[in-house]
Amino acid sequence: QVQLQESGPGLVKPSETLSLTCFVSGASISSYYWGWIRQSPGKGLEWIGQIYYSGSTNFSPSLKSRVTMSIDTSKKQFSLRLSSVTDADTAVYYCAGWRWLQTGDLLDYWGQGTLVTVSS
Amino acid sequence: EIVLTQSPATLSLSPGERATLSCRASQSLAGYLAWYQQKPGQAPRLLIFDASKRATGIPARFSGSGSGTDFTLTISSLEPEDFAIYYCQQRSTWPPYIFGQGTRLEIK
Repeated sequence: QVQLQESGPGLVKPSETLSLTCFVSGASISSYYWGWIRQSPGKGLEWIGQIYYSGSTNFSPSLKSRVTMSIDTSKKQFSLRLSSVTDADTAVYYCAGWRWLQTGDLLDYWGQGTLVTVSS
Repeated sequence: EIVLTQSPATLSLSPGERATLSCRASQSLAGYLAWYQQKPGQAPRLLIFDASKRATGIPARFSGSGSGTDFTLTISSLEPEDFAIYYCQQRSTWPPYIFGQGTRLEIK
């Protein structure tokens, strides 16, 4: 079955860059849209952005100036970089993938999430 | 940017009761709205997409309706495992695919 696994440092210093990678198994990386969503402690879900296998991206307007996403189809992984982090970027970061089938169905998969804390 | 407003913030019901959750968009989404369920310590799970289509494996007690700016998630008869937080998400043509602030469904 499709599995996504986030990987990256759990602690990042203020003003530095947060970097996470999501490893994909059980799915063709070229068939899905891939994205990042975060959830601050005790808060709701915030959509960060998405990337397609072609490299095309869309980002949340509120984070666009600080976000970079990349994808490596040969390694079946995609990555998030968020620069100039502050306390407000402390959150559980989820990677996710979705794909519409010709039947009209929507497949949607999420990683388990990884907590990133911004602190000196 | 589209804003999604969910109501109520908290809904207290008993098992077996019917739950009705609302999501209102600041502009028309046509029929492109999704609903997610999230339990503590878990990733969100897709329940409904395109306003009314159940995702694979989702029980029939979950149903979605609505179009334009007003959408509803209904759980016909609550099971103990349904008590969780529910989020709507706009999935219209173009990102950002923002989420509503969530409705907490708690046991009365």
